[in-house]
Amino acid sequence: DADVTQTPRNRITKTGKRIMLECSQTKGHDRMYWYRQDPGLGLRLIYYSFDVKDINKGEISDGYSVSRQAQAKFSLSLESAIPNQTALYFCATSDPGLAGGLALNEQFFGPGTRLTVL
Amino acid sequence: DAKTTQPPSMDCAEGRAANLPCNHSTISGNEYVYWYRQIHSQGPQYIIHGLKNNETNEMASLIITEDRKSSTLILPHATLRDTAVYYCIVSRLMDSSYKLIFGSGTRLLVRP
Repeated sequence: DADVTQTPRNRITKTGKRIMLECSQTKGHDRMYWYRQDPGLGLRLIYYSFDVKDINKGEISDGYSVSRQAQAKFSLSLESAIPNQTALYFCATSDPGLAGGLALNEQFFGPGTRLTVL
Repeated sequence: DAKTTQPPSMDCAEGRAANLPCNHSTISGNEYVYWYRQIHSQGPQYIIHGLKNNETNEMASLIITEDRKSSTLILPHATLRDTAVYYCIVSRLMDSSYKLIFGSGTRLLVRP
C-alpha cells in the first residue's frame, strides 16, 4: 500500500465550484505539504503544516485553503475554482531529523491529483 | 534566496554515467543541495542531498565543489528507467524547517 495517497486522482470541475483534495499518509510524519505543478514547470508550494492545527502559507496560497485536523490527513480546498487553477497537485510529507549529521527533510510525495477547471 | 541553474535537457547512453550539472553561485553557508527526480507525471522522488562534502548512496553520487557554487549529480550506470526530470534544489531554512524551491529541472533522456 502507498504511504502517501491522494484522492481524487483526477477531477474535472466548473468555474466557481468548491473543490476539496484529500491527502492521507501512513508514514507517521508530522509535516505535510501541498504543491501545484503547471506544465513544463517545477513544483510550487501552496501551504504546509508542521503539526495538527498548524498552517503556514507557501509561495502561492491565494485562492486556496487547507485543513489539518489529524496527523495523517491534510486537505486542500479551492473555495471557488477558476481555470488558472488547472494543474497537477501533489501532497508530500516529511519527518525532520538528522542522517549522518545532515539535516534530513526528505519529502515523500503522493501520486498527484490532476485538476481541470473549465 | 539561492537560485539554481540547470541545463534544460541532456541525454546519455544506457549503461554509461550520467553527469547532471547544477550552478548555485549564491548559495549561503547553511543551505543544503538536494536532488529530486520526477518520472513522467509521478510525484517527485528524493535522490540525495549534501552540504559540503561529496555524498554517495545506492542511487547516485553528489559532487559539490569546494566553493559550493556548483554541484554534479552522477548516476553511475544509467538505465532506461532513469529517464526523468531531475531537479537541483537549494534548500533554505524557513520557519524552522527547510523548504524546497523547485526550478524547471533537467530533462534527462537515457538512450538504448
